[in-house]
Amino acid sequence: SQQGEEDPQALSIQEGENATMNCSYKTSINNLQWYRQNSGRGLVHLILIRSNEREKHSGRLRVTLDTSKKSSSLLITASRAADTASYFCATLGGDSSYKLIFGSGTRLLVRP
Amino acid sequence: DAGVTQSPTHLIKTRGQQVTLRCSPKSGHDTVSWYQQALGQGPQFIFQYYEEEERQRGNFPDRFSGHQFPNYSSELNVNALLLGDSALYLCASSDTGQLRETQYFGPGTRLLVL
Repeated sequence: SQQGEEDPQALSIQEGENATMNCSYKTSINNLQWYRQNSGRGLVHLILIRSNEREKHSGRLRVTLDTSKKSSSLLITASRAADTASYFCATLGGDSSYKLIFGSGTRLLVRP
Repeated sequence: DAGVTQSPTHLIKTRGQQVTLRCSPKSGHDTVSWYQQALGQGPQFIFQYYEEEERQRGNFPDRFSGHQFPNYSSELNVNALLLGDSALYLCASSDTGQLRETQYFGPGTRLLVL
């Protein structure tokens, strides 16, 4: 079963705009990660945020984590057509589990 | 430095058949996990191998089995294929020394069961 839901399920924006995706999860976690997937191919790791962190940056990516609300958001600034992909959040369990539990994903379309 | 590789890239089978998928982990990684991704869904954890043993298993039937070899490569076997087994099968590798925090995914094998 999925860990939680991502919101929105689909997002369409103009190149240069910012894109924000949200993720909710259900159980305690060690960390939360965001992955990108292009056209049903393999997943590319984007960023990892640990449960004791609140915000993290990597290039045009900004991730926030609110453990009290069991939610995270991914912000992509100044989007490009090449950012068009599906984005998934995944949690690594707080129960010494090493399995990633994925959300259902957000499909992002960046229009040139 | 080669990333995670998987073979074959695509596969077509019929119901009742058996299939074997293969994965070579990223150089230096010793742990391999397998995920199933149905169309339009997020990946779901099948199982994880470390030191040639299955360490964790997701909610998948015994028809799904695996193996890890001494060189850390891995196989996923699915017996008695069902139409519902059609999916993208993803292999991910990680490093115990890095607490297996980050998993690096291969390009996947797309399986179609007719």
